[in-house]
Amino acid sequence: AQSVTQLGSHVSVSEGALVLLRCNYSSSVPPYLFWYVQYPNQGLQLLLKYTSAATLVKGINGFEAEFKKSETSFHLTKPSAHMSDAAEYFCAVSDQGNTGNQFYFGTGTSLTVIP
Amino acid sequence: DGGITQSPKYLFRKEGQNVTLSCEQNLNHDAMYWYRQDPGQGLRLIYYSQIVNDFQKGDIAEGYSVSREKKESFPLTVTSAQKNPTAFYLCASSLGFNQPQHFGDGTRLSIL
Repeated sequence: AQSVTQLGSHVSVSEGALVLLRCNYSSSVPPYLFWYVQYPNQGLQLLLKYTSAATLVKGINGFEAEFKKSETSFHLTKPSAHMSDAAEYFCAVSDQGNTGNQFYFGTGTSLTVIP
Repeated sequence: DGGITQSPKYLFRKEGQNVTLSCEQNLNHDAMYWYRQDPGQGLRLIYYSQIVNDFQKGDIAEGYSVSREKKESFPLTVTSAQKNPTAFYLCASSLGFNQPQHFGDGTRLSIL
């Protein structure tokens, strides 16, 4: 079974600073990878997805993520943080399990943006 | 606009009571899912359905039940057997596995 690890349950950055949210997965076979964002009391919204095409994936709101097979990582970045980026971010993996495809979510990283 | 509608947004349950959370989608998606979200634990899968009249248990199905009589609808019942039901419940759908999941805005369930 897959596992998804998000390092750092809370990340704080200053407005305008680089945002880096870390995600590592456990499979030796590249899975499908996703990043979602959740604002308070709302559902999750897809930011971007990796499906074995380009290793650098661009998403909405200026976010991008790079798939690194050697590091089994899919870290999310944004060059310049905006106040509106404050939210919870989830990394997710879709993989072929024993009972069919499974979808696994990380435990989330809460991003705080300091003015 | 296509999307997923969850209702109600807030729900209160009394001891020994079953409650049903509604989830409707008009995205023509085959797969639907129910997740439970607790602080600091991310999302945990309760049940999922790949096609009408078929559904599978997820990681924490005990105390919950579902039905999938229509493609558009996937209601979740929280039974009295679920001793700790207070949580935020999210419904999602997708075209299929390996496809992005689309989420509703959630139902927050609390105990009276």
